[in-house]
Amino acid sequence: GAVVSQHPSWVICKSGTSVKIECRSLDFQATTMFWYRQFPKQSLMLMATSNEGSKATYEQGVEKDKFLINHASLTLSTLTVTSAHPEDSSFYICSARPGEGQGLPGSYEQYFGPGTRLTVT
Amino acid sequence: DAKTTQPPSMDCAEGRAANLPCNHSTISGNEYVYWYRQIHSQGPQYIIHGLKNNETNEMASLIITEDRKSSTLILPHATLRDTAVYYCIVKSFGNEKLTFGTGTRLTIIP
Repeated sequence: GAVVSQHPSWVICKSGTSVKIECRSLDFQATTMFWYRQFPKQSLMLMATSNEGSKATYEQGVEKDKFLINHASLTLSTLTVTSAHPEDSSFYICSARPGEGQGLPGSYEQYFGPGTRLTVT
Repeated sequence: DAKTTQPPSMDCAEGRAANLPCNHSTISGNEYVYWYRQIHSQGPQYIIHGLKNNETNEMASLIITEDRKSSTLILPHATLRDTAVYYCIVKSFGNEKLTFGTGTRLTIIP
């Protein structure tokens, strides 16, 4: 149980276009989802926290108008990179935090997706 | 959340126990120690967490010193698939955010 998927797993797009990445919790409901970005040979950096049905909370230095996050349901959050540029090329990873009472193993709080590698040319 | 310090890299022979240290000297009383790992080009995977008692699960053991200023993650019989970056994170249980440091790159040698 507690599987998080991301789609696509990798994407190549041209500079100036927009790209949407989906994050789904497959077997549980996620009240909160998180989006991270990881540049090569660096650690994960939290970009934003989203709660179902409300606006995302962005970390300092992350442009909310460039990285649009929509958490429309308890199992789906999307990250749209608008007007992508080569410097946005990165590994984007989501995680999901289950709501209470779902009988999931362990008491850890975030389940991570496999990541999406974005390359902007 | 308290800051953690880990060695940047370690090697371990396959089949041996891998012991990964973490210093967290500024940890406060309500903060837990979490361990995650990230295999190359994948999302992080939870391993274990603890408050002050030693913990063990099917993946690893976590040994926390009595003063809680440091801990050690033990992989009892390392395999090649345990090659990954291991992150030690300190945070309070109710805090949603995970702050990843640079971690320890563990390489299992055949």
